[in-house]
Parts: sequence; C-alpha cells; structure tokens
Amino acid sequence: DAKTTQPPSMDCAEGRAANLPCNHSTISGNEYVYWYRQIHSQGPQYIIHGLKNNETNEMASLIITEDRKSSTLILPHATLRDTAVYYCIVSPPYSNTGKLIFGQGTTLQVKP
Amino acid sequence: DTAVSQTPKYLVTQMGNDKSIKCEQNLGHDTMYWYKQDSKKFLKIMFSYNNKELIINETVPNRFSPKSPDKAHLNLHINSLELGDSAVYFCASSLRLAMNEQYFGPGTRLTVT
Repeated sequence: DAKTTQPPSMDCAEGRAANLPCNHSTISGNEYVYWYRQIHSQGPQYIIHGLKNNETNEMASLIITEDRKSSTLILPHATLRDTAVYYCIVSPPYSNTGKLIFGQGTTLQVKP
Repeated sequence: DTAVSQTPKYLVTQMGNDKSIKCEQNLGHDTMYWYKQDSKKFLKIMFSYNNKELIINETVPNRFSPKSPDKAHLNLHINSLELGDSAVYFCASSLRLAMNEQYFGPGTRLTVT
C-alpha cells in the first residue's frame, strides 16, 4: 500500500514553476523520498530522490520539510512536455527486494 | 541507444493462448523487474530478478512464469491467457538489487479477447 498522499490533479502554466506536493507523514527514519513521472503511454521515468536535504538535478528540485512529513517536487520552468502523472514514493534506500509501491500520483497538466 | 527495450509493443491474442514478452537491458544492471499497469492505471510490481535469481513474486498466478537466461534479459511467459490479463506490462532494471532508481522500458500493451 502506498504510504504517500498526493493531490489527484494540478494545472500549471507553461514557463511557470510547477510545485507538486506530497504528504508522507508516516515516513521512517531510513526511508527516502523518490519521485517518478509517467508521460502518457510511456514507461515511468525516475526524476529525483532525497532523504532530508534539498536536492536538485537537471530535471527538478526536491524540497523536504524539516520533519520529513512532506515534500515538494519543483519543475522550475514547466513545458508542455512535462505533462504527466507524477508519483511520490517512500522507500528504504536498500531494501532487500527493490520493491517500489506506486500510488495514484498527481496528473500535472501544463497549459500553454 | 535504447536502455530497456521490450518486444512486442502491442500484443493482441485470444483467451487460452500462451504468449511471451521479451525484455532486454543494455545498462549492465544486475536487477530486472516486471510491473503490470491495469486499466485504472495502477502500477504494481510482479517480479524482480537479481543476477538471474528470483527475488520477488508478488502473489502472481503461476500462469505467469518469468525467465532470465542472463542478467541482461528477463522474459515473461503467460499461459492460458485470461481477459483479466489485459494490461500494459513494463520491464525495468536497476544497477543492483534494492537500488530504487529504476529504468523502465516502453511497455507492452496486452489485449486478451
């Protein structure tokens, strides 16, 4: 069962920052927050992950609150190609199974 | 070059038939996975293999039999196909077991009529 809560859908104007929230109030001390996205009819794509510090890569930034009970994925300048379902997943970094549990995610619609 | 590839992309078949889906990764990863995404878009893991050894079998019917001839390949064979098997099947790989940065293939859309 997914241990995260995300809004089912969000809109964002093209060129603006898209801020996607995720609630993970029951996160354990050793669990990381992972973000994936799935563009229509494609396989999921890894975006970023973090433990407690903010993280940034070429795709996005991840802001994790100090109590680690929630996080926000930021796409700094959303484009139409960022329209996708975004999944927030919590998982220990090195479980013995590699099992990712996907929830329903947030459908982000980037509009011109 | 495609990192994780699957064949076929589409598969339409009748109930009761046996079919296979092939997956190959050229990333040099040790671990491979099969996921199923149903009509409601829920994505759920089915199997994981590490160095050709089965690690996860998520209560999948034994009509589904994964086969890993080597680390780069994980095929999925399905016997006696049922209507409820219709879904999109995704293959994925990760560098090592339990590394949660997984790379997914493009998916195989299976339709059972």
